[in-house]
Amino acid sequence: GAVVSQHPSRVICKSGTSVKIECRSLDFQATTMFWYRQFPKKSLMLMATSNEGSKATYEQGVEKDKFLINHASLTLSTLTVTSAHPEDSSFYICSARVFTNTGELFFGEGSRLTVL
Amino acid sequence: KQEVTQIPAALSVPEGENLVLNCSFTDSAIYNLQWFRQDPGKGLTSLLLIQSSQREQTSGRLNASLDKSSGRSTLYIAASQPGDSATYLCAVSGAGSYQLTFGKGTKLSVIP
Repeated sequence: GAVVSQHPSRVICKSGTSVKIECRSLDFQATTMFWYRQFPKKSLMLMATSNEGSKATYEQGVEKDKFLINHASLTLSTLTVTSAHPEDSSFYICSARVFTNTGELFFGEGSRLTVL
Repeated sequence: KQEVTQIPAALSVPEGENLVLNCSFTDSAIYNLQWFRQDPGKGLTSLLLIQSSQREQTSGRLNASLDKSSGRSTLYIAASQPGDSATYLCAVSGAGSYQLTFGKGTKLSVIP
């Protein structure tokens, strides 16, 4: 299957700082990428849909000024958590769609953010 | 709004047993359904994808079925192994959209 890589896998930061998470499609071009957040014992929650060359579409309740998404190329999308607070601590996962009619999504390895 | 439910939330079986994981969804107008595996602290690994026009998909010891009209899918795992221990997630995408709605998952433990 297609490979999606996320970096970093773990990050610890101080409250008030900003953290950038990268999501790369390694062997295919992804015009659309999705960012999810996972809480313990909860479903994955879609945060936003990232489209190459245009503004991301955020889900209701997700602060776009807090979670900045940039999709500057067909293989890279970034999520920046700005002015992070302890409540932003979570597991963030990106996914990308291979451009076929199956609609199958492939996921990155996830990034564990801990805000102290 | 689509809702996905997975039952049971957790399951423990002895090695070698066959088992079934259940997934139900409220809106039958789906584009496809995917089953994923997630190991602790890791991302998601795609196991099987079933298009809305399909009834089942098989990969090795895994078989997934889809009954779109009743809003149900099952994941059958044959001859379970300790390495199958993980959380299994079911997700559906709506017609006209590739966004996925996930269930909370079933945590499977296969006891040697």
